[in-house]
Amino acid sequence: GQNIDQPTEMTATEGAIVQINCTYQTSGFNGLFWYQQHAGEAPTFLSYNVLDGLEEKGRFSSFLSRSKGYSYLLLKELQMKDSASYLCAVRDFDRGSTLGRLYFGRGTQLTVWP
Amino acid sequence: GAGVSQSPRYKVAKRGQDVALRCDPISGHVSLFWYQQALGQGPEFLTYFQNEAQLDKSGLPSDRFFAERPEGSVSTLKIQRTQQEDSAVYLCASSQGSGTLNQPQHFGDGTRLSIL
Repeated sequence: GQNIDQPTEMTATEGAIVQINCTYQTSGFNGLFWYQQHAGEAPTFLSYNVLDGLEEKGRFSSFLSRSKGYSYLLLKELQMKDSASYLCAVRDFDRGSTLGRLYFGRGTQLTVWP
Repeated sequence: GAGVSQSPRYKVAKRGQDVALRCDPISGHVSLFWYQQALGQGPEFLTYFQNEAQLDKSGLPSDRFFAERPEGSVSTLKIQRTQQEDSAVYLCASSQGSGTLNQPQHFGDGTRLSIL
């Protein structure tokens, strides 16, 4: 099966930088997604990595190392509104599946303090 | 519509009742997914449609769960003879392609189901 592991909680202060790590084990890796989810709301897409390296998108960056089964989401210049759960999700074409089903971690609850 | 729309937002039912949850995906999106999200957990896959065809239902927890997308747009997730462990948020997501490309899934706000 898929084992996706990320920290349960993190805290940081406004203006700081925070890195949320995610490790995974898959048999048919085909991409890693990061989503942001505020309480009671829909997960919203942040980033996508399928090749090794860093993808930068404004204040958010995501890194992938396929050989290590490792990704991180980097949030810079933190704002209060960044307080949310951050979900790491892997697309895995395991067992001959040809579908794009996502396997999610439990989410990392980030709290940003003033 | 502009995004994925789900209804109702909240549903309370007594144990043993049947419920139906609706999802309106983004117009033109081929792929539609249903996920179940328990409190403090990440979403877990339930089932997948490509247009009107249900190609994967391996995540449905029991035969009490049934999903359909008869015309390839709106989808309904039905749960028969609900039980307390069915209490969760049910999320619907759609994506433009067939799920094999680097296209993200766009999620609705979900239906929060509470079984008393």
